[in-house]
Amino acid sequence: QKEVEQNSGPLSVPEGAIASLNCTYSDRGSQSFFWYRQYSGKSPELIMFIYSNGDKEDGRFTAQLNKASQYVSLLIRDSQPSDSATYLCAVNRRAAGNKLTFGGGTRVLVKP
Amino acid sequence: GAGVSQSPSNKVTEKGKDVELRCDPISGHTALYWYRQSLGQGLEFLIYFQGNSAPDKSGLPSDRFSAERTGGSVSTLTIQRTQQEDSAVYLCASSRGGDQETQYFGPGTRLLVL
Repeated sequence: QKEVEQNSGPLSVPEGAIASLNCTYSDRGSQSFFWYRQYSGKSPELIMFIYSNGDKEDGRFTAQLNKASQYVSLLIRDSQPSDSATYLCAVNRRAAGNKLTFGGGTRVLVKP
Repeated sequence: GAGVSQSPSNKVTEKGKDVELRCDPISGHTALYWYRQSLGQGLEFLIYFQGNSAPDKSGLPSDRFSAERTGGSVSTLTIQRTQQEDSAVYLCASSRGGDQETQYFGPGTRLLVL
């Protein structure tokens, strides 16, 4: 079992719709959770992070964390073609020096 | 201020040669991380620096890989006797350290070993 798992996609959504991305993790000691966006040929770009159970909203993005279920998700509202990218879920454990463990990423395609 | 910078952006080398990859973190960031991203392997951790010391080298794939950081700033990742399986994008990230753990990535160095 991989430490961080994501559906590889592609997740195809029409423009203006909500894209829902899921991520599960195996280490119950994980403390911080990050979503990065990566365009083809570019480096990962931080979208948002979440530490506590519940929802966290930032603009069109909402991260949801459920530590009991070891599950973190990202919602993208009013999806735009510019949101087409690979979304990487990452977790860390402060006792492990904050190194990030990444999922394989979910490729999102937003169709006009 | 400026983001994380890496050089070179691209490197083509012959099998068996040594290469050095450089990372310049965001000013004031005490923590620095090296990751590698290759097809089929995803993004994997290599080594972490806090200041000039490397408390976690657990991700280095072999003893051909080494890294150092001087002055709490610039870091160099060295790969000796490169192999074709070393071909990947090498990414550097930095963070403020302590509880400020959000990591910001540089543009990466794309390494191709022929």
